[in-house]
Amino acid sequence: GGIITQTPKFLIGQEGQKLTLKCQQNFNHDTMYWYRQDSGKGLRLIYYSITENDLQKGDLSEGYDASREKKSSFSLTVTSAQKNEMAVFLCASSIGLGGPYEQYFGPGTRLTVL
Amino acid sequence: GDSVTQKQGQVTLSEDDFLFINCTYSTTTYPTLFWYVQYPGQGPQLLLKVTTANNKGISRGFEATYDKGTTSFHLQKASVQESDSAVYFCALGVGDNSKLIWGLGTSLVVNP
Repeated sequence: GGIITQTPKFLIGQEGQKLTLKCQQNFNHDTMYWYRQDSGKGLRLIYYSITENDLQKGDLSEGYDASREKKSSFSLTVTSAQKNEMAVFLCASSIGLGGPYEQYFGPGTRLTVL
Repeated sequence: GDSVTQKQGQVTLSEDDFLFINCTYSTTTYPTLFWYVQYPGQGPQLLLKVTTANNKGISRGFEATYDKGTTSFHLQKASVQESDSAVYFCALGVGDNSKLIWGLGTSLVVNP
């Protein structure tokens, strides 16, 4: 088995602040994902990375940057936090190309912007 | 384009009731259909996966059935327990694409 670790678990920021969320997986999976989940809503894909040197935009990439530092880690940056924003950011990973495969999720980072 | 529709936002049941949650999908290629469950404070976890090859999946008392004729796949359980209270998502995978298309989720509340 494996695990996905997301840090921090809770993130409180100020309007306009640049905020970085980190994700680590030890599944040795090729593909990693960042999703945003708003209260009572589904999962919206922000960025994903099929392999270590790849980066793909999802449906909600505006206002975010992402970086795949190495196979096991994938970071997400909120470039300018919006006032009163509250959401959960979920990181996931899957085996890789030739899918679709099961995605394994981390516990999430809960963002609050004051 | 490819899409999935999950209309039931919330379902409230009593213990031992029958559960039925439906999703419909649209795609021009071959689908792989997933059901995920999300408990409070956790990320979603896979409950069932159904392909055109097997048409049905069973796990932890839940059953998912795929109907190509109506392009739907539903999740059912004969007798729910309070511990089944969670949010259930359907998701569509198409072809060999790494991305999944997610439904909006159904919040299941099971009263004792």
